[in-house]
Amino acid sequence: SQQGEEDPQALSIQEGENATMNCSYKTSINNLQWYRQNSGRGLVHLILIRSNEREKHSGRLRVTLDTSKKSSSLLITASRAADTASYFCATADNYGQNFVFGPGTRLSVLP
Amino acid sequence: EPEVTQTPSHQVTQMGQEVILRCVPISNHLYFYWYRQILGQKVEFLVSFYNNEISEKSEIFDDQFSVERPDGSNFTLKIRSTKLEDSAMYFCASALGWTRGTGELFFGEGSRLTVL
Repeated sequence: SQQGEEDPQALSIQEGENATMNCSYKTSINNLQWYRQNSGRGLVHLILIRSNEREKHSGRLRVTLDTSKKSSSLLITASRAADTASYFCATADNYGQNFVFGPGTRLSVLP
Repeated sequence: EPEVTQTPSHQVTQMGQEVILRCVPISNHLYFYWYRQILGQKVEFLVSFYNNEISEKSEIFDDQFSVERPDGSNFTLKIRSTKLEDSAMYFCASALGWTRGTGELFFGEGSRLTVL
């Protein structure tokens, strides 16, 4: 299974601090994506990084990918209370179309 | 902005009954998915659908489950003879695909199924 596994399972930080979440996976991937889920809502795509990329930025988000270690990290800088949510990584196999999600990291940003 | 819509938002059913969950994917998307999430737990892949057929399914997606794209817009998940453990949030997602897009999945807001 290519399933991603995020850690930590839960993370609690103060507003303004940076939050780092990690994802590890098992098999070769085409790309890795990060999604966010507010409580009781659908998942929203945040950022995608392809297997030939090492780092990507989008606003306050920074994603890294290390294919040799089969791991990725999501950094949220200058966190806000509104960033409180669960964050999931999803990996796609080499065909690039079937996505498997990890168990997620629950981030709590305290005001 | 185009979005994936799901109905119903919440369905309560008796164990053993059949349930159909409906999804309207984004109109020009080519790949369709069903995922489920038991409360507070991980998002589990059920099935992917492309070119009017199942392209991949998980171990969860047994004979109790079926999917259909009966017309050009709807994508349905049928659960026959529901069990208590089928209680979960079911998410539909669609994607344009790599050749025409970024491969990003667009999710609906989910259908909460409660089996009593």
